[in-house]
Amino acid sequence: AQSVAQPEDQVNVAEGNPLTVKCTYSVSGNPYLFWYVQYPNRGLQFLLKYITGDNLVKGSYGFEAEFNKSQTSFHLKKPSALVSDSALYFCAVRDRTDSWGKLQFGAGTQVVVTP
Amino acid sequence: GAVVSQHPSWVICKSGTSVKIECRSLDFQATTMFWYRQFPKQSLMLMATSNEGSKATYEQGVEKDKFLINHASLTLSTLTVTSAHPEDSSFYICSAGLGGAHQPQHFGDGTRLSIL
Repeated sequence: AQSVAQPEDQVNVAEGNPLTVKCTYSVSGNPYLFWYVQYPNRGLQFLLKYITGDNLVKGSYGFEAEFNKSQTSFHLKKPSALVSDSALYFCAVRDRTDSWGKLQFGAGTQVVVTP
Repeated sequence: GAVVSQHPSWVICKSGTSVKIECRSLDFQATTMFWYRQFPKQSLMLMATSNEGSKATYEQGVEKDKFLINHASLTLSTLTVTSAHPEDSSFYICSAGLGGAHQPQHFGDGTRLSIL
């Protein structure tokens, strides 16, 4: 069974400071990993994904994520947070062998960036 | 590319009414679409997988007679909440993908359903 953990309900950071949103997963095999962001009353927007290769993945809006196989983690990072980055962030995994398979989402982490 | 449009954005209606929500893939064909329900500040709960030309696959605990899904074409899936009651009030989101486990899902902007 797949599971995704986002251990922090909320992350508070001052504008200009580095932002990290944590994600760990428990799956069989090597899953595909995704990060999404959700603004209020909106659907989810895709930020980035890890498929294979370089453990550091770069995505939209200056975000990046680091895949760590030994720690089964895929933490989302941004070197310098903006107030507009305040939103709900979701980590998700999918089984590599399941072409039409479901995404397993974490519980979400609310990011609050203060001016 | 890979835009998913969901309509309507907001619905307010009386208890007992049936409400239809549309999910369209605008620039790609989607054999499979997904329907989610989300409560405030919570994660997405998968309700069902919508398959073009066949019956939807519902998650455990989701009433198929309550939440009717139709995926009649490769670009349109609909979710109908039948005889809606206040407890059905929620944020409903659809998603679709280009196919392949490595492809991200693309999400509609959601529908806020409020049943009075």
